[in-house]
Amino acid sequence: DAKTTQPPSMDCAEGRAANLPCNHSTISGNEYVYWYRQIHSQGPQYIIHGLKNNETNEMASLIITEDRKSSTLILPHATLRDTAVYYCIVRARNTGNQFYFGTGTSLTVIP
Amino acid sequence: GAVVSQHPSWVICKSGTSVKIECRSLDFQATTMFWYRQFPKQSLMLMATSNEGSKATYEQGVEKDKFLINHASLTLSTLTVTSAHPEDSSFYICSARRGVGQETQYFGPGTRLLVL
Repeated sequence: DAKTTQPPSMDCAEGRAANLPCNHSTISGNEYVYWYRQIHSQGPQYIIHGLKNNETNEMASLIITEDRKSSTLILPHATLRDTAVYYCIVRARNTGNQFYFGTGTSLTVIP
Repeated sequence: GAVVSQHPSWVICKSGTSVKIECRSLDFQATTMFWYRQFPKQSLMLMATSNEGSKATYEQGVEKDKFLINHASLTLSTLTVTSAHPEDSSFYICSARRGVGQETQYFGPGTRLLVL
């Protein structure tokens, strides 16, 4: 699986958009980009995933660059409850389905 | 939908005892379940992949005789930590995948194990 690089920590003001970057420069054509978050002492929560096109759901938007070497998770209006560690994972489809977690980005939403 | 539960949520045991952790998919059938371990201030580390009705596949460095995994049904997988020692103290998390073609994993709330 391709590896990902994320900044170790970020701050965001409450109510503002949180933009979390992820680099996956070695991603291959059949690998998806998944985002999960983990609030302290809980299991990871699925946020969103995509292959090529930008995706949006009720939680967030995922912007993938045209060359697919990087992506950005956008939380449009961050709240204090969005404080968590955010993990960007790339994985190939139908190859055992394993997720290998990197170190993630610790997002702190500031009142 | 896609709810995964774990039991117990926390356990304290004496060194040398065995501990069983259950992972259940509550509202879907999971052909594949995964077990992770997380030490304080670290990321999740995949331990093994569990397919219903077959032997688990362990990641390199994970002792299969130490961490016994059973996936007897489409809604239940168990992880048994045999002869637990203090270094096995950790946060154990399971996840489940709905089925072939459904790649998203849904995670349980985790089980915190403390071995004294």
